[in-house]
Amino acid sequence: DVKVTQSSRYLVKRTGEKVFLECVQDMDHENMFWYRQDPGLGLRLIYFSYDVKMKEKGDIPEGYSVSREKKERFSLILESASTNQTSMYLCASSLSGLAGNEQFFGPGTRLTVL
Amino acid sequence: AQSVTQLDSHVSVSEGTPVLLRCNYSSSYSPSLFWYVQHPNKGLQLLLKYTSAATLVKGINGFEAEFKKSETSFHLTKPSAHMSDAAEYFCVVIRGSNYQLIWGAGTKLIIKP
Repeated sequence: DVKVTQSSRYLVKRTGEKVFLECVQDMDHENMFWYRQDPGLGLRLIYFSYDVKMKEKGDIPEGYSVSREKKERFSLILESASTNQTSMYLCASSLSGLAGNEQFFGPGTRLTVL
Repeated sequence: AQSVTQLDSHVSVSEGTPVLLRCNYSSSYSPSLFWYVQHPNKGLQLLLKYTSAATLVKGINGFEAEFKKSETSFHLTKPSAHMSDAAEYFCVVIRGSNYQLIWGAGTKLIIKP
């Protein structure tokens, strides 16, 4: 059974803290993605990676960075958390090649920044 | 530029009645379109996808969608709603030839007993 796991389901941090969100997939997928999901806005792409050490900005990269040192792991970093980064964060992975390949999602991390 | 609009933020139907979730898209060429479903406290899951083969696409759990180029629509339907269909549904289009998807705002499907 395919699996994408995220390090935490719920996380509470304070403004200014550095936050790490970890995502691991066991499907040997080349592509990995980080989204945030907010009510009424759908999913918005923050960053994606199509290979180890490769990354591309999505629609809303400001305030975030990513790291992909190993194929199975993709980390999202909030350098200095702010209250407007309170959101649900979703990680996904897919096979390389066509964007039409199905994306497989983790359960999400609900981050609250106080 | 590609975009997708889900016409209803909430849809409420009685169990056993038909379901219609509406999605319109905008694309400068023949698009690839998807419906994803998100059940409460569960991860997103692909329901079905259209990639320029048959215009009527069948998905999981009895859902299907019809691609209508003349109407730029890709509405999701199910003949008879079940309580387990209560979830949020997202219509999605591929952005160009890269890896990115463009997501609609979502439609919450509510099933009344």
